[in-house]
Amino acid sequence: GIQVEQSPPDLILQEGANSTLRCNFSDSVNNLQWFHQNPWGQLINLFYIPSGTKQNGRLSATTVATERYSLLYISSSQTTDSGVYFCAVATGNQFYFGTGTSLTVIP
Amino acid sequence: ETGVTQSPTHLIKTRGQQVTLRCSSQSGHNTVSWYQQALGQGPQFIFQYYREEENGRGNFPPRFSGLQFPNYSSELNVNALELDDSALYLCASSLRGGGETQYFGPGTRLLVL
Repeated sequence: GIQVEQSPPDLILQEGANSTLRCNFSDSVNNLQWFHQNPWGQLINLFYIPSGTKQNGRLSATTVATERYSLLYISSSQTTDSGVYFCAVATGNQFYFGTGTSLTVIP
Repeated sequence: ETGVTQSPTHLIKTRGQQVTLRCSSQSGHNTVSWYQQALGQGPQFIFQYYREEENGRGNFPPRFSGLQFPNYSSELNVNALELDDSALYLCASSLRGGGETQYFGPGTRLLVL
């Protein structure tokens, strides 16, 4: 299967700081999504981004499919951004998740 | 936002028992995927159902089985429960041919004692 590596594994930020989360994957994919998992376990869609750049408020993402990586940018972080961020990629029917980046934003 | 629901929210079973978890997909979605998420790990793909047939399976033994119904809801059945089956079980629905964006339910937390 496809290997998905996320970095950093843990991140602690002061409220208002910016951050970049990275996702590397080992093979060509036709689907890539970023998720935020809240403390209750709910996975919330952030971006569907197999290629290109998208922005949604303080969040933006870029995927460079030819180089097999994606970046998630969080600007002006808030305490509600805390949680685990997952990158998931797919080729065909099966999604492969990374091990996530655990983000803690402190006031 | 997602419209995907799962039941029950929590469940405690003993080793060797059988369990059935349920998932209702988002309106208009025809594909359901199931994932197992152990503590501290990313979700692991169990299998996917499309039009009531299994359409892809991850590295899980046959005692993990499923069903999809004509209304696209789905069940995950696990027989002969083992301690390592303790996990959060997530269901995701998507629309085949619609970009395959997956929307997840809140999950069922299973504890096997």
